[in-house]
Amino acid sequence: EVQLVESGGGLVQPGVSLRLSCAASGFRFREHSMNWVRQAPGKGLEWLSYINTDSTTIYYADSVKGRFTISRDDAKNSVYLQMNSLRAEDTAVYYCAGDSGISDWFDPWGQGTLVTVSS
Amino acid sequence: EIVMTQSPATLSVSPGERATLSCRASQSVSSNLAWYQQKPGQAPRLLIYGASTRATGIPARFSGRGSGTEFTLTISSLQSEDFAVYYCQQYNIWPPWTFGQGTKVEIK
Repeated sequence: EVQLVESGGGLVQPGVSLRLSCAASGFRFREHSMNWVRQAPGKGLEWLSYINTDSTTIYYADSVKGRFTISRDDAKNSVYLQMNSLRAEDTAVYYCAGDSGISDWFDPWGQGTLVTVSS
Repeated sequence: EIVMTQSPATLSVSPGERATLSCRASQSVSSNLAWYQQKPGQAPRLLIYGASTRATGIPARFSGRGSGTEFTLTISSLQSEDFAVYYCQQYNIWPPWTFGQGTKVEIK
C-alpha cells in the first residue's frame, strides 16, 4: 500500500522552530520529487516547498522562503520540513505530497499533521 | 504566478443530480490541470490529471474537460460520498504550483 505518514506537528509559541517528517512506504520513494503543502483552518491548499529526487533542485513559496528548509533522506524514505521563526499565520495542517512519477501533479498525499502557533 | 479561480464557491445539489464545477486559469496551462477531492478531516485525493484522465480507482461518473484557461469537472450523478470540497491545480508553470480556492459541493 502506498503511504505517506507525517509527524512532528504540535502546539508551539511564536518564534520557535519545529521539524516535520514524512515517511514513505509502498512505492519507490527515491524516484519521486516531494512537496509540502499546507492548509490553514477553513482555508484552501497552499504549496510550500519542492525537492527533486537528488536534492539538487529546491523551491519555496515566498511566504516561507528564508524560514523553512526542505530536505530528504532516501535511505530512510523520508522528507523533512524544518520550520524556523514560526508565526501565528503558519498555523495549518501540513501535508507532504509526492509527484506522480509521470508528471507534476500531486499523488500520493499524507494524512497531514497539525501545527498550531500560539502564545 | 498563475492564479486559479474556481466557481461557484458553493454548489448545492440533490443526490442523483449532475454537478458541474468550473476552474479558470489566469494564463494558459495547456492540459496540465488536476482535480482533487477533499472530505472533512481528510487529505486531498487525486481525481483527475491531464485535465481529463481519471486517476486509478476513480468512478466513471467523474469527468474532466478543458484546455488552456477554462476547465470543468462534472459529476454525472451525485452519490452521498461525493459531497466534499473540490480543488483544481495547475502544474504547467512552476514554481509555484497553484490551487483554486475550492468549490464545496453540498447536499441540497
